[in-house]
Amino acid sequence: DIQLTQSPSFLSASVGDRVTITCRASQGISSYLAWYQQKPGKAPKLLIYAASTLQSGVPSRFSGSGSGTEFTLTISSLQPEDFATYYCQQLNSYPQVTFGGGTKVEIK
Amino acid sequence: EVQLVESGGGLVQPGGSLRLSCAASGFTFSSYSMNWVRQAPGKGLEWVSYISSSSSTIYYADSVKGRFTISRDNAKNSLYLQMNSLRAEDTAVYYCARSGSIFGVVLFDYWGQGTLVTVSS
Repeated sequence: DIQLTQSPSFLSASVGDRVTITCRASQGISSYLAWYQQKPGKAPKLLIYAASTLQSGVPSRFSGSGSGTEFTLTISSLQPEDFATYYCQQLNSYPQVTFGGGTKVEIK
Repeated sequence: EVQLVESGGGLVQPGGSLRLSCAASGFTFSSYSMNWVRQAPGKGLEWVSYISSSSSTIYYADSVKGRFTISRDNAKNSLYLQMNSLRAEDTAVYYCARSGSIFGVVLFDYWGQGTLVTVSS
């Protein structure tokens, strides 16, 4: 099974900060990686797929990069509505996908 | 508008059974593969099961294999998850999620709001 390790698991940041979250895969997954945002009590929302493609309707302050085993999600200027938990997902072994452990972004 | 609405969750004793449903609307259900994903309280996301559009291909996570059965009824635009021999560790919010595709890239593009399953005596 392909394991995904996210870091950090928790981060505290201020509005306007640049935030970077890392996702590392236990083996190469090309660009078969997606990022989701989840707010408390809500379903995950797709932000980025194919490692770097922004889903329709997602603000351009979100960006993704990477391939192989190391990926990043960057929020260029954190907004109040971005405080949430973020998950990466590998689809290299689709349909048997796996998710990272999550990164909770909280207000400093 | 694409909508996925789960139902059927609740409190069940260990060893018991429960059947979850996911009602789909706003898209051609029979053209899409579907998934169940769960989230234990305060924990991360765990993929549970997959079913292809025609039900010809099915996969399960090792944690539920032999106990859970995924199925669908394309005439009723509905996805199901039959859960037997339930354990405390199956306690979670269960989401149905659509396997969409953009230019050949698979993605979980729409999710339901989830239904809570609690396994406890």
